[in-house]
Amino acid sequence: LAKTTQPISMDSYEGQEVNITCSHNNIATNDYITWYQQFPSQGPRFIIQGYKTKVTNEVASLFIPADRKSSTLSLPRVSLSDTAVYYCLVGDVRGGGNTPLVFGKGTRLSVIA
Amino acid sequence: EAQVTQNPRYLITVTGKKLTVTCSQNMNHEYMSWYRQDPGLGLRQIYYSMNVEVTDKGDVPEGYKVSRKEKRNFPLILESPSPNQTSLYFCASRPGSSYNSPLHFGNGTRLTVT
Repeated sequence: LAKTTQPISMDSYEGQEVNITCSHNNIATNDYITWYQQFPSQGPRFIIQGYKTKVTNEVASLFIPADRKSSTLSLPRVSLSDTAVYYCLVGDVRGGGNTPLVFGKGTRLSVIA
Repeated sequence: EAQVTQNPRYLITVTGKKLTVTCSQNMNHEYMSWYRQDPGLGLRQIYYSMNVEVTDKGDVPEGYKVSRKEKRNFPLILESPSPNQTSLYFCASRPGSSYNSPLHFGNGTRLTVT
């Protein structure tokens, strides 16, 4: 089961690009990398998912190097509303087989005006 | 609206008094799971279910029970709650057969056991 390691917290000013890196040295061949965002008193919300190279959607980009032992979530031009906790999840999203999906401890991003 | 609904949102109880937290999803998802969230520990999976009548232990199953008699419902049962089960609980679901589908989470149940 791939364990993930993320920075505990990060600060950024509004308008800046924020990059949050997640380490997952034991990632398995069938594992995908998924990032979630969580606001206080709400459940986590899906942001982006990828397997290798680069994935981009309307809110973020995900960079995954060839060895897949880490990944970087990139948030362009953050605003105050991006203040949240961001979780990196690594697992076989096709069903997990008989293994549970394990979230890391998350990165608390604080955006400052 | 597609959603995962948990009830109640807040619950205060006493040690040893059995309780059930309900979870229901209206998206016809095969996979459902329960997590607890504690400060500094992130989200930890309690139990998950791949489909009706199929359940498996997650990372921290001790002290909890689940059942999956219907596809849409996945209740979490605490037969004899203890103070160390005070936590924020989340239910989540996703299509079991759909490749790469993300988890959909409910809004959480904050449980306090005194």
